[in-house]
Amino acid sequence: TQLLEQSPQFLSIQEGENLTVYCNSSSVFSSLQWYRQEPGEGPVLLVTVVTGGEVKKLKRLTFQFGDARKDSSLHITAAQPGDTGLYLCAGARNNDMRFGAGTRLTVKP
Amino acid sequence: KAGVTQTPRYLIKTRGQQVTLSCSPISGHRSVSWYQQTPGQGLQFLFEYFSETQRNKGNFPGRFSGRQFSNSRSEMNVSTLELGDSALYLCASSLSVVGYTDTQYFGPGTRLTVL
Repeated sequence: TQLLEQSPQFLSIQEGENLTVYCNSSSVFSSLQWYRQEPGEGPVLLVTVVTGGEVKKLKRLTFQFGDARKDSSLHITAAQPGDTGLYLCAGARNNDMRFGAGTRLTVKP
Repeated sequence: KAGVTQTPRYLIKTRGQQVTLSCSPISGHRSVSWYQQTPGQGLQFLFEYFSETQRNKGNFPGRFSGRQFSNSRSEMNVSTLELGDSALYLCASSLSVVGYTDTQYFGPGTRLTVL
């Protein structure tokens, strides 16, 4: 069982659609990070959220950290084919970092 | 500034053999972490080194070991390879380790296939 559960596992949408992916846990984290990984490459950090209830925006991406710091969501507005990739969340606690299994997003032109 | 580099990028081994993977962190970074990524389990933390000392260790058997050199370069070794060790092994470096609020920069990984 993963400490961080990501949903959905797979998501295939058309260009221009909106989407939300989720990262849930029963554990409290001191911070939570979102990464995007493309084939043949390592994950690249998108954002770090630290405060419960925090919302961060990165162009068309909106990240939210749950009030209790147990969960997070990533919302993408008007998805583009360049958004295609594996989206990973990672929670930090006690100098330990755990990753979810990821949501594989495909945006079709 | 050069990114994290990992060598080799691809490796094919047979069961029972051992393998050593190498990671060169970003210049100035003292923390190096290793992860195993498989389709079924996702990214699993192996261990983290900071200033040549293992600071954290994941839940992997003793066949998995690592070390860090004085120039922060790191190696990981897997002995007596099993089929289930086939995976993408990722290395990540960061400036420090405290609190994990520092950004981790990942290398492209080494794809290990065990036959």
